[in-house]
Amino acid sequence: GAGVSQSPRYKVAKRGQDVALRCDPISGHVSLFWYQQALGQGPEFLTYFQNEAQLDKSGLPSDRFFAERPEGSVSTLKIQRTQQEDSAVYLCASSSARRSNQPQHFGDGTRLSIL
Amino acid sequence: AQRVTQPEKLLSVFKGAPVELKCNYSYSGSPELFWYVQYSRQRLQLLLRHISRESIKGFTADLNKGETSFHLKKPFAQEEDSAMYYCARIRWYGTSGSRLTFGEGTQLTVNP
Repeated sequence: GAGVSQSPRYKVAKRGQDVALRCDPISGHVSLFWYQQALGQGPEFLTYFQNEAQLDKSGLPSDRFFAERPEGSVSTLKIQRTQQEDSAVYLCASSSARRSNQPQHFGDGTRLSIL
Repeated sequence: AQRVTQPEKLLSVFKGAPVELKCNYSYSGSPELFWYVQYSRQRLQLLLRHISRESIKGFTADLNKGETSFHLKKPFAQEEDSAMYYCARIRWYGTSGSRLTFGEGTQLTVNP
């Protein structure tokens, strides 16, 4: 595909359940980012990968959030024991280079609703 | 902490009128700023970046370091400009990479 692909587009879970969100970046893109966008807010940074290395996870709101990118391409964001405040759109973005001003390309996001 | 502020959540203008979406940032070194746009039912996409000094879809944005602003302007708004606009600032990790800090966004509505 030509762009960043995220699945599922929508996810509804009950409080306390675990969820896994998937991101397929643009082929060959080295950098991958996860953002959380609450209703009425701008995206907020969660974590950043360069290839398979997670270089920054300072934006993850709690230890219930975990992200991985084991082979340097597809990434998964996992949320354990979900809470209502986890309800948000989760955006994935990828970029072609390590240090540059190349723009980040965003996916459509996964809209997560916790009941 | 680096902050990006968009003071207007909603902005409504008539077609053909000038439009200015405000963006201010907290001062820290040499900022690199972007405007992203999200049209209805579409993904977030880059509109323009200050280092390019370009005009995209008639929009321009000038970095004003004295006022720490990066306002987005268009002299004659069109209905298809209706969208959510986000100002963003890049933060570099040494030689390793970067991340974006976004403002809260401004919903622009251009009325016929």
